[in-house]
Amino acid sequence: AQTVTQSQPEMSVQEAETVTLSCTYDTSESDYYLFWYKQPPSRQMILVIRQEAYKQQNATENRFSVNFQKAAKSFSLKISDSQLGDAAMYFCAYRADNYGQNFVFGPGTRLSVLP
Amino acid sequence: DSGVTQTPKHLITATGQRVTLRCSPRSGDLSVYWYQQSLDQGLQFLIQYYNGEERAKGNILERFSAQQFPDLHSELNLSSLELGDSALYFCASSALAGGEQYFGPGTRLTVT
Repeated sequence: AQTVTQSQPEMSVQEAETVTLSCTYDTSESDYYLFWYKQPPSRQMILVIRQEAYKQQNATENRFSVNFQKAAKSFSLKISDSQLGDAAMYFCAYRADNYGQNFVFGPGTRLSVLP
Repeated sequence: DSGVTQTPKHLITATGQRVTLRCSPRSGDLSVYWYQQSLDQGLQFLIQYYNGEERAKGNILERFSAQQFPDLHSELNLSSLELGDSALYFCASSALAGGEQYFGPGTRLTVT
């Protein structure tokens, strides 16, 4: 079964600095998708970024970028120029590219942004 | 706004009661997922429907059931409620081919 691990339960970063959140996963599939979701205090789940496993290029969305290492099964999220609004729980998620496959979420990393 | 709607936003009920949570997926999405999130916990996958049929089942209790209707909206039924069922229940939807899930705002259930 697929599993997703986030080894950092909590992290903090100074405003305007850069922080990297770690995620590793275990799968025997070759085609899959990886995601980072953000859950602010409002508890709304917000998609941050998505990566297709067949793509070598790392995904980027504004200040958010990933470092996808397929062989190592690693998928870290880098937040540049951190802002107070980035404070949230961040969940890493995996989905196999199979019909009807459900998502597997990691346990989350709580990120604090210090002014 | 993700395009996924959930009603009601809040629900307070007593132990032993039954409630129904409703979800409308994004336009064009055929797949609906239900998750439970207890306080300070991760997301627990409950069940997935695709175009009206059950597709995958997670840690869903026998007291819970769900269905997806022809118009693609879904309902999650929770019965014989216990204090431990108090949680935020999310619905999410996705398109057929491997894509991201879009989450609704959630229904906060409080069992007293």
